[in-house]
Amino acid sequence: QKEVEQDPGPLSVPEGAIVSLNCTYSNSAFQYFMWYRQYSRKGPELLMYTYSSGNKEDGRFTAQVDKSSKYISLFIRDSQPSDSATYLCAMSAGAGGTSYGKLTFGQGTILTVHP
Amino acid sequence: DTEVTQTPKHLVMGMTNKKSLKCEQHMGHRAMYWYKQKAKKPPELMFVYSYEKLSINESVPSRFSPECPNSSLLNLHLHALQPEDSALYLCASSQEMVRPQHFGDGTRLSIL
Repeated sequence: QKEVEQDPGPLSVPEGAIVSLNCTYSNSAFQYFMWYRQYSRKGPELLMYTYSSGNKEDGRFTAQVDKSSKYISLFIRDSQPSDSATYLCAMSAGAGGTSYGKLTFGQGTILTVHP
Repeated sequence: DTEVTQTPKHLVMGMTNKKSLKCEQHMGHRAMYWYKQKAKKPPELMFVYSYEKLSINESVPSRFSPECPNSSLLNLHLHALQPEDSALYLCASSQEMVRPQHFGDGTRLSIL
């Protein structure tokens, strides 16, 4: 079993839809949770960063972390064709953890938003 | 445009060649990383430098040799690569090892 599980999709939605992307994980040492967006032929771009449990909102994006369920989500409101990309969840442990300094990625979800 | 700059963007080399990939950041970050990414896969960590010292080596073959000349620069020296080493090589940086990482756009490497 992978440490981080992410549904690879692909996910296709109409413009304006609400998109929900999710990851589950097994390592309880993970404390830092990130979402990256990667366009074709580009590097991953940091979208959201959350420490421990809770919600964080930035424009059309909302990240949620539920450490009790080991489950993280990214919601995209009013999705646009320009949101079409691969979305990667990533997480890391704090100091002293065996994965300190290492990002553990999900497999990535391919999202297409069609006009 | 990203704040982590990688050169070259593309590189084609033979199995006997020696080449280097370069990465530069001017965000004052003290941790820098090399990743390898194959198509439709997430990035795989290769090396981590923290305060210019090699902190993590993920059992990478010796044909890949990292170097951190100063806090802004990171190099990856390549020698006698194999066709399976063809991939996108990504550099990233962060304030400290535990802080979120910012990626460059990578060098697309093809081994003939």
